[in-house]
Amino acid sequence: SQQGEEDPQALSIQEGENATMNCSYKTSINNLQWYRQNSGRGLVHLILIRSNEREKHSGRLRVTLDTSKKSSSLLITASRAADTASYFCATDSNQGAQKLVFGQGTRLTINP
Amino acid sequence: SAVISQKPSRDICQRGTSLTIQCQVDSQVTMMFWYRQQPGQSLTLIATANQGSEATYESGFVIDKFPISRPNLTFSTLTVSNMSPEDSSIYLCSVEPPWTGRGTEAFFGQGTRLTVV
Repeated sequence: SQQGEEDPQALSIQEGENATMNCSYKTSINNLQWYRQNSGRGLVHLILIRSNEREKHSGRLRVTLDTSKKSSSLLITASRAADTASYFCATDSNQGAQKLVFGQGTRLTINP
Repeated sequence: SAVISQKPSRDICQRGTSLTIQCQVDSQVTMMFWYRQQPGQSLTLIATANQGSEATYESGFVIDKFPISRPNLTFSTLTVSNMSPEDSSIYLCSVEPPWTGRGTEAFFGQGTRLTVV
């Protein structure tokens, strides 16, 4: 079953603004990852945060992780039209099986 | 990074027929994963394919409907059998290259957009 829940389901902002997406999960994890998908194509890995980390940065991306609340957020600063895509969180559980469980995704639209 | 070639990129098929999707990786990987993404939905894992052993299917997916082959460490196929319109989805293959370590970064093919009419 899907363990990740994301909100909002859809987000529309103006170019230059910041975009924040949230993800919640249900079980213990080894790490949490964020992926981007453009127009129903393949997924591209953006950033990974381990269960013992609280915050991580990569360029215009900032990810936080709160394991006590089983939640994560992805912040994209100074958004660009090219950031328009769907964003998914994915968790790698520590239950032994080597597989990712994806959230429902957030559809982000950046308006010029 | 790992480069994954997935084909076909899209197809329109008649109900009752079968489609085989191919996934080729430019490096040797132990495990390959097949996902389904129904319209407007997230990714759901169908099965994990290990070279030299039977694929491991997730709850709700069976081998008769989604047979998988894994003849070597760089190639896998997924067949969608006896298709119905409900099988219309994007199918994606994915790998975790051994040099990235377990549970780090997964690489995805560009997906196969299947429409069943």
